[in-house]
Amino acid sequence: GDSVTQMEGPVTLSEEAFLTINCTYTATGYPSLFWYVQYPGEGLQLLLKATKADDKGSNKGFEATYRKETTSFHLEKGSVQVSDSAVYFCALTRSNAGNNRKLIWGLGTSLAVNP
Amino acid sequence: EPEVTQTPSHQVTQMGQEVILRCVPISNHLYFYWYRQILGQKVEFLVSFYNNEISEKSEIFDDQFSVERPDGSNFTLKIRSTKLEDSAMYFCASSDVGGNQPQHFGDGTRLSIL
Repeated sequence: GDSVTQMEGPVTLSEEAFLTINCTYTATGYPSLFWYVQYPGEGLQLLLKATKADDKGSNKGFEATYRKETTSFHLEKGSVQVSDSAVYFCALTRSNAGNNRKLIWGLGTSLAVNP
Repeated sequence: EPEVTQTPSHQVTQMGQEVILRCVPISNHLYFYWYRQILGQKVEFLVSFYNNEISEKSEIFDDQFSVERPDGSNFTLKIRSTKLEDSAMYFCASSDVGGNQPQHFGDGTRLSIL
């Protein structure tokens, strides 16, 4: 079945460091891909999305490119801040899902940024 | 910006009791979802709801669970007889029409079963 695999955390970085969180997927067809972020004590917020191959999603300095050839959607940020400390989730929805649009989630990667 | 709201933020219930978790989705959204996240584990899909009926449900969503949209604005999840393993954070989400519309989530209800 469809699945999402994320790199295990926790990831600990110093402020202004470069961030990469790896995400790969298994899915039939061409899923839509998402990164969600969960700040401490808060809910799940959409960070960015990409709906077709070679699309790049971006938001708040974060980027991820939909790579069909490697079935990947790695999250990157050039210079992290303490305020980026959170848990990051990679997720997908199946293409042609009709009314069945459930999100399939990775395990989440905890990021801690130290000043 | 419109948002999904969930109440209560924390619910503590005795095992075997019924619990109702409430959600107010974004007003023009037509798709509604419940997910749960057991502490330290991944987010799991429970159920999706469209056009006043369940469109998909997971294995977790057994006969003890039900959903309802009682009044056109609220979307509720009921657990009839709670078990210890139902303790989790429950998230409601909604999305607009269109195949690739993202789901917008509430802040969740933390359910603790004693």
